[in-house]
Amino acid sequence: TQLLEQSPQFLSIQEGENLTVYCNSSSVFSSLQWYRQEPGEGPVLLVTVVTGGEVKKLKRLTFQFGDARKDSSLHITAAQPGDTGLYLCAGGYGGSQGNLIFGKGTKLSVKP
Amino acid sequence: NAGVTQTPKFRILKIGQSMTLQCAQDMNHNYMYWYRQDPGMGLKLIYYSVGAGITDKGEVPNGYNVSRSTTEDFPLRLELAAPSQTSVYFCASSYDGTDTQYFGPGTRLTVL
Repeated sequence: TQLLEQSPQFLSIQEGENLTVYCNSSSVFSSLQWYRQEPGEGPVLLVTVVTGGEVKKLKRLTFQFGDARKDSSLHITAAQPGDTGLYLCAGGYGGSQGNLIFGKGTKLSVKP
Repeated sequence: NAGVTQTPKFRILKIGQSMTLQCAQDMNHNYMYWYRQDPGMGLKLIYYSVGAGITDKGEVPNGYNVSRSTTEDFPLRLELAAPSQTSVYFCASSYDGTDTQYFGPGTRLTVL
């Protein structure tokens, strides 16, 4: 059962363009994390959002957690070739287990 | 700190062979996790541990076993390798189950 739907699955854009990646679920999460993964490496945490409606910025990346804590978005302004990679969202239910539910990812390619 | 380390980086097994994937962390994290990542499928949780001596099944535990005799180490054992276990395996750790996980570089396993 896929609890976290990411869209789009693939995205190929030119350098300088803006883009938004979406992460949607019917479940309520205590937190939502975004990871970036480069080929041959493990995912690296970009941000964690925990409050409904929360917005966090990381340079040209803006992350938002939905008011109902069921969805999240990642917006990249003026994309650079260095932004190329697989972006994964992961929802956490909190509690003692700490388990995360991962989306399938959005593969982003930014061409110079 | 080395963070989360995994060995080997690559391995080819024949059907029916067994092997152990090693994972170690030096961050004094209590929680450790094993995931597998198949193309286009995101990360699936195999097993996790909330502390030394305590392990539990994740979403896809069949064909795998784990142990956690120390805080630092969390090996994953494949007893009778099958082609369906061809995947990239990631180990991760977190301090207290608050969902922020740190990943190792992965082990790419092929079963022929």
